[in-house]
Amino acid sequence: DTAVSQTPKYLVTQMGNDKSIKCEQNLGHDTMYWYKQDSKKFLKIMFSYNNKELIINETVPNRFSPKSPDKAHLNLHINSLELGDSAVYFCASSQMRLAATDTQYFGPGTRLTVL
Amino acid sequence: AQKITQTQPGMFVQEKEAVTLDCTYDTSDPSYGLFWYKQPSSGEMIFLIYQGSYDQQNATEGRYSLNFQKARKSANLVISASQLGDSAMYFCAMREGQAGTALIFGKGTTLSVSS
Repeated sequence: DTAVSQTPKYLVTQMGNDKSIKCEQNLGHDTMYWYKQDSKKFLKIMFSYNNKELIINETVPNRFSPKSPDKAHLNLHINSLELGDSAVYFCASSQMRLAATDTQYFGPGTRLTVL
Repeated sequence: AQKITQTQPGMFVQEKEAVTLDCTYDTSDPSYGLFWYKQPSSGEMIFLIYQGSYDQQNATEGRYSLNFQKARKSANLVISASQLGDSAMYFCAMREGQAGTALIFGKGTTLSVSS
C-alpha cells in the first residue's frame, strides 16, 4: 500500500563509485521530484519530471542524472560520487493540476553516505 | 532573499498545550500554495496541511490549523493539545504559480513535547 517508495533506504559507498536510487509511486500522479536534504536538514529541489518529461533541472552537478522510464518511476543515477554528495535524497510525487492545490507526497528517503 | 523563513530553530511545549510554529513567506506571485510537513526522527516527510493563496478560510486538519495572514505574509502552524508523538522537525514550504513547480522549504523548526 506504500504510496511513494524508494530503494535502497540506506546506501554506503566509496568515493568515485557510481550508484542509483530508485523511486516508484502508485498514486497515479503525473509529476515526480527529487529533493536533497543536507546535513543541516535543508531541503532543496534537484529535478522534476512530468509524465516522463524533465521540467525542473536545478543547478546540480551533471554527475547526477535522473531518468523516468514511465510516469510511475523516477530514478536517480550518480556518477563519481564525492564526499559532499552524502545526504538524504527524497523522491516525491504530485498530481499535475493548474490550481495551487498540488500537494507533494514524499517517499521515505534514501540516506547516502560516501566514504 | 529567503522565500520561506522559519525563525524558531527549536520550540518546547508540554503535553496538552497548544503551540504555534511561525512561518513567513515572500512572493510576488498572486497564486501560491503553502504547506507544512512533519519530519519525525525516523526521517520520513509527512504532509500535514495546505493553504491556497485564494482560500478565504484558514485550513484545518484535526489538531492542526494554519493561521494564514495574507497581508503579513505569514502562515503559522498551530498544533492544539500537543502529544508526545508531535516531537519532530516541522517544515513550512511554498509552491508558487502553476502546478509542477517545486516546493521551496524553510529551514525547519524542531518541536519537543514533554510530559
